[in-house]
Amino acid sequence: EAAVTQSPRNKVAVTGGKVTLSCNQTNNHNNMYWYRQDTGHGLRLIHYSYGAGSTEKGDIPDGYKASRPSQENFSLILELATPSQTSVYFCASGDGTGGNAEQFFGPGTRLTVL
Amino acid sequence: GDSVTQTEGPVTLSEGTSLTVNCSYETKQYPTLFWYVQYPGEGPQLLFKVPKANEKGSNRGFEATYNKEATSFHLQKASVQESDSAVYYCALRFNTNTGKLTFGDGTVLTVKP
Repeated sequence: EAAVTQSPRNKVAVTGGKVTLSCNQTNNHNNMYWYRQDTGHGLRLIHYSYGAGSTEKGDIPDGYKASRPSQENFSLILELATPSQTSVYFCASGDGTGGNAEQFFGPGTRLTVL
Repeated sequence: GDSVTQTEGPVTLSEGTSLTVNCSYETKQYPTLFWYVQYPGEGPQLLFKVPKANEKGSNRGFEATYNKEATSFHLQKASVQESDSAVYYCALRFNTNTGKLTFGDGTVLTVKP
């Protein structure tokens, strides 16, 4: 069954530390996305990718990097984590740029930065 | 710029009552409209989508009409159930070149038995 998985599901990090959130999809979708979810802000796009080797900035990219080493995997990297990055992070995949294309979401990673 | 605004929550209803969650948008483009639902501990999942103006989407008793003139896409259900308790997101795709979605802030719905 096609799916988007994320690891870890929960993470506690210290301020200034490096955090890597991983996402894997078996949908064979070209596009992948990273969002953060905060109360009162809904889902906001951080980075996205059109395929292996590509990364694009979303609406709130500051303080985050992304890496797409393969079709299946997309990582979100916090080089110097800060408490303001405490949030729930969702990865999604989509089958392209067609107008009808929906996105399929993973279960989320809850990140707490102390 | 392009934007989405939806009903602020939380919304609390009794089983069997009707639901309306408002969603309005601003754009000079012709977006595809989506409603997503998120149950506790899960990621959002598609409820339904409507790519064309003046068409209706529906699923699980929920429905919404793409009203291009009013730039609205309100979610409705005639009779809610306790199992409908979730967060509902209106989302729009403004730019078909990127596949990006713009989400509203979400509406938390609690249905009491």
